[in-house]
Amino acid sequence: KNEVEQSPQNLTAQEGEFITINCSYSVGISALHWLQQHPGGGIVSLFMLSSGKKKHGRLIATINIQEKHSSLHITASHPRDSAVYICAVQGYNTDKLIFGTGTRLQVFP
Amino acid sequence: DARVTQTPRHKVTEMGQEVTMRCQPILGHNTVFWYRQTMMQGLELLAYFRNRAPLDDSGMPKDRFSAEMPDATLATLKIQPSEPRDSAVYFCASRGGRLNYGYTFGSGTRLTVV
Repeated sequence: KNEVEQSPQNLTAQEGEFITINCSYSVGISALHWLQQHPGGGIVSLFMLSSGKKKHGRLIATINIQEKHSSLHITASHPRDSAVYICAVQGYNTDKLIFGTGTRLQVFP
Repeated sequence: DARVTQTPRHKVTEMGQEVTMRCQPILGHNTVFWYRQTMMQGLELLAYFRNRAPLDDSGMPKDRFSAEMPDATLATLKIQPSEPRDSAVYFCASRGGRLNYGYTFGSGTRLTVV
């Protein structure tokens, strides 16, 4: 079993829909990261969380440390949100990241 | 915006050749990472440095891969000799000195070994 599990693996949506991507992990962490990768593109860091909730534009990330679970929400989705979203966790006193396998999102007009 | 710069963006080489990938981390970032991404394995950490000193290279095949930071503005990843199974996208990332700083990734080097 992977230490970081994401669901769903693939997600399609119509433009305007509210989207949720989930991440569960089994190890103790100091922080959780959400990353975005467009097809053929580089990796962009969206959020780094250690508790609670963060918001940036239409993106919202939440984390529940007790339940070892995080969600990434996209409100009013747009075709440009189509990308792979990767959850990664960072252990205590380490820079190393453990990555999930990613969620491939496609948003259609 | 500050960027992590990787060169080359694409590299096609023949099996057995030496490949060198370069990374310029963000000025002032003291931790530099090399990751490899493949369809089968996803993202894997190969090696990382703090203040130019190697901290962990356990993810790297030692017989053919080497990673160095000759100075604070340059990290290199070398494969010699290259093999077709090394075909992947190699990402460099850097972060600042505190553990609550985020990561910044480069655009990657897409390596194809034929």
